[in-house]
Amino acid sequence: KAGVTQTPRYLIKTRGQQVTLSCSPISGHRSVSWYQQTPGQGLQFLFEYFSETQRNKGNFPGRFSGRQFSNSRSEMNVSTLELGDSALYLCASSLTSGTGAYEQYFGPGTRLTVT
Amino acid sequence: DAKTTQPPSMDCAEGRAANLPCNHSTISGNEYVYWYRQIHSQGPQYIIHGLKNNETNEMASLIITEDRKSSTLILPHATLRDTAVYYCIVRDPLGLYGGATNKLIFGTGTLLAVQP
Repeated sequence: KAGVTQTPRYLIKTRGQQVTLSCSPISGHRSVSWYQQTPGQGLQFLFEYFSETQRNKGNFPGRFSGRQFSNSRSEMNVSTLELGDSALYLCASSLTSGTGAYEQYFGPGTRLTVT
Repeated sequence: DAKTTQPPSMDCAEGRAANLPCNHSTISGNEYVYWYRQIHSQGPQYIIHGLKNNETNEMASLIITEDRKSSTLILPHATLRDTAVYYCIVRDPLGLYGGATNKLIFGTGTLLAVQP
């Protein structure tokens, strides 16, 4: 079974531009979460989608948005890029979402550099 | 904020058992303990999780104290490929909107260095 895939793997953008990152979860997984990792802040939760609905969101400005499609694929968008948005963006998929224990599987990440 | 505290770094000799401690003194009765690891610049990898009982899988064992305020991840025979940052996570299952969520709150983790 294929793992979580993220595209593109590397991206260089200029301040003020916008960017869209894509995540394809493991087949059959319906929950997708996004995380940002920076050297200063570590791994921080951005948002979670389940069955096309946002289940949760982290403490990030409105410039960060996401969505999930009917096939469970997810995209996140960052508008008006700032230098501080340079980070590794990670996507994680899980079979479902709930109060039980669910393993999450992470993709390799998209390395975004803002210049 | 993360609900766990871990030592920032540990060393382990190759072939020996690595015992990684984690404190989670404010854990609630229905909150699971998860362990993930991250090898440099890769996505985190799930290792194991538990609620009350000790757990074992092909990668590791998880020992949770009876009062559930701390746990230990055991890698029985550490190899050089086990060098990574290990995260102990207590997941709050309720999300921003009151419903269930898979949100993980990562702390700073423990950098395990396996020495040859």
